[in-house]
Amino acid sequence: EAQVTQNPRYLITVTGKKLTVTCSQNMNHEYMSWYRQDPGLGLRQIYYSMNVEVTDKGDVPEGYKVSRKEKRNFPLILESPSPNQTSLYFCASSFGVSTEAFFGQGTRLTVV
Amino acid sequence: GENVEQHPSTLSVQEGDSAVIKCTYSDSASNYFPWYKQELGKGPQLIIDIRSNVGEKKDQRIAVTLNKTAKHFSLHITETQPEDSAVYFCAARPLYNQGGKLIFGQGTELSVKP
Repeated sequence: EAQVTQNPRYLITVTGKKLTVTCSQNMNHEYMSWYRQDPGLGLRQIYYSMNVEVTDKGDVPEGYKVSRKEKRNFPLILESPSPNQTSLYFCASSFGVSTEAFFGQGTRLTVV
Repeated sequence: GENVEQHPSTLSVQEGDSAVIKCTYSDSASNYFPWYKQELGKGPQLIIDIRSNVGEKKDQRIAVTLNKTAKHFSLHITETQPEDSAVYFCAARPLYNQGGKLIFGQGTELSVKP
């Protein structure tokens, strides 16, 4: 089954404790993105990747890092999480820049 | 910058009625307009999309219309059913996008009452 898998689904952490949210897709897609979803704001792109070792900032990249060492994986790294990063995070992938985007199930992160 | 406005934020209809959600986009170069349905605890799922060279597209009870001149696009759901209850997001993809970036509207929470 074609899918985008994120882990964990839920995470509560403390300010400053580094964490990683994993994302994996099994569709051989080149394009992957991370979005955060906040009430009243819809989804906003954090970082994106156009292929292995090619990543760039989206609209709200502050406080986040990503890596793309393999085509299928695109982890989101929070080196020093802060409460304003409490949000619902989605990973997405697509075959090309103009094709359908598939989303993961989401990771609900709470930073206290 | 690029922006998508979506209305209404909440919509309540009786089962069997129609529901309409409207979006306006700012970047006239946008060329792809998907609609996503998000059920509680799940990620957004594509339900229908339309490209800028088409004015209307229909898939069973769901239809999308696009007015490029006015930079409006709308989702129409006919004969609504309780399982249509969810949050719906419109989105626009700029022509010169960053890795397939989508600009999302704020979302509409649709409630279909039996």
